[in-house]
Amino acid sequence: EPEVTQTPSHQVTQMGQEVILRCVPISNHLYFYWYRQILGQKVEFLVSFYNNEISEKSEIFDDQFSVERPDGSNFTLKIRSTKLEDSAMYFCASSEGTHSNQPQHFGDGTRLSIL
Amino acid sequence: QKEVEQNSGPLSVPEGAIASLNCTYSDRGSQSFFWYRQYSGKSPELIMFIYSNGDKEDGRFTAQLNKASQYVSLLIRDSQPSDSATYLCAVDGGGADGLTFGKGTHLIIQP
Repeated sequence: EPEVTQTPSHQVTQMGQEVILRCVPISNHLYFYWYRQILGQKVEFLVSFYNNEISEKSEIFDDQFSVERPDGSNFTLKIRSTKLEDSAMYFCASSEGTHSNQPQHFGDGTRLSIL
Repeated sequence: QKEVEQNSGPLSVPEGAIASLNCTYSDRGSQSFFWYRQYSGKSPELIMFIYSNGDKEDGRFTAQLNKASQYVSLLIRDSQPSDSATYLCAVDGGGADGLTFGKGTHLIIQP
């Protein structure tokens, strides 16, 4: 069964550094998403992406964050000048469309640890 | 602010019994409703989705939706120890909106 793949599985970075988290969505999916989950808390929406542009973003997705689809397969989340509170699991998800019966499928996540 | 509420549990159910998980949501405009299973340290795994009032069955799982009461539930029949996990209720407002998740219910199936 096709799946969303994310790399790396674990990223350790010094505070203030930039990180790039990578995702390969399911091949026929058109909508891409990033979520984060701080340890012990709920999954939170960051941003959705369609047709090479941001569709929706949450209040969390401020100027520190950016997304990009640099080629036909990868979808990246960049976090500039990381802070301690950016430590979390980051999940990429994708869906065929936005119809009710086109659910989002999640990757295994990247655990980001900011030191 | 959209809210999705779930009892955090733990909910303890004997093996073979029916587990009943509940969720309420605040936004009446919500269109689609999802149940994800999340094992500790893992990613959310889609179990079921529903968007029409009533029941939807898939194997041992039944999702129930009542839009008038803004209530979604998940029933797991013949519960197995492998069903022990946190079950996340998620709500979609339509379009490319992200999902709004509840905090999840921790389910424990006792052998």
